[in-house]
Amino acid sequence: DAGVIQSPRHEVTEMGQEVTLRCKPISGHNSLFWYRQTMMRGLELLIYFNNNVPIDDSGMPEDRFSAKMPNASFSTLKIQPSEPRDSAVYFCASSYSSLGDGYTFGSGTRLTVV
Amino acid sequence: GENVEQHPSTLSVQEGDSAVIKCTYSDSASNYFPWYKQELGKRPQLIIDIRSNVGEKKDQRIAVTLNKTAKHFSLHITETQPEDSAVYFCAASGSYQLTFGKGTKLSVIP
Repeated sequence: DAGVIQSPRHEVTEMGQEVTLRCKPISGHNSLFWYRQTMMRGLELLIYFNNNVPIDDSGMPEDRFSAKMPNASFSTLKIQPSEPRDSAVYFCASSYSSLGDGYTFGSGTRLTVV
Repeated sequence: GENVEQHPSTLSVQEGDSAVIKCTYSDSASNYFPWYKQELGKRPQLIIDIRSNVGEKKDQRIAVTLNKTAKHFSLHITETQPEDSAVYFCAASGSYQLTFGKGTKLSVIP
């Protein structure tokens, strides 16, 4: 298995533009997580999907952020409009378990909003 | 919700010495405690984990201990090598969500 695949690896965009981050989880994993990593706040959970259904989106910072999982092999995280404070590394992770174990992280997307 | 505190935030050791990183958690329902290593520009990767029914677990040069009564757990790395230099994260989970500590930047000086 190729692991969790994220794209793009790097994204530089201007403030106000829409940004879409993509994730392909490991086949057979039924849980998918989007995390944001910054120096100040560390790793923060944004949203959790189980069997393609959003279970917990309490970490989504505001309405500018949205996430979808139309099928078991694909998820997107969208920011519209983007702001400089959204600059961070966004990780997608998938797991075979709903008990916190079995996490595998993707390589992340480094987002810079100028 | 769960809150995980991690100390120290930075740690420098001489090659061959031991390194210890400590974490405390707040939710007594948490029962799974993994440790992740993140090298610069790379993804966090699981290096060892422990469940609440076990007090200690060892894998070659790394070990983790858990004290459920005190709600703290620690990572021990012995005979450190330069390739151990990275940021280490502890985490705690009682359900689907891993709550991470803020990380410890470990530098191993040759």
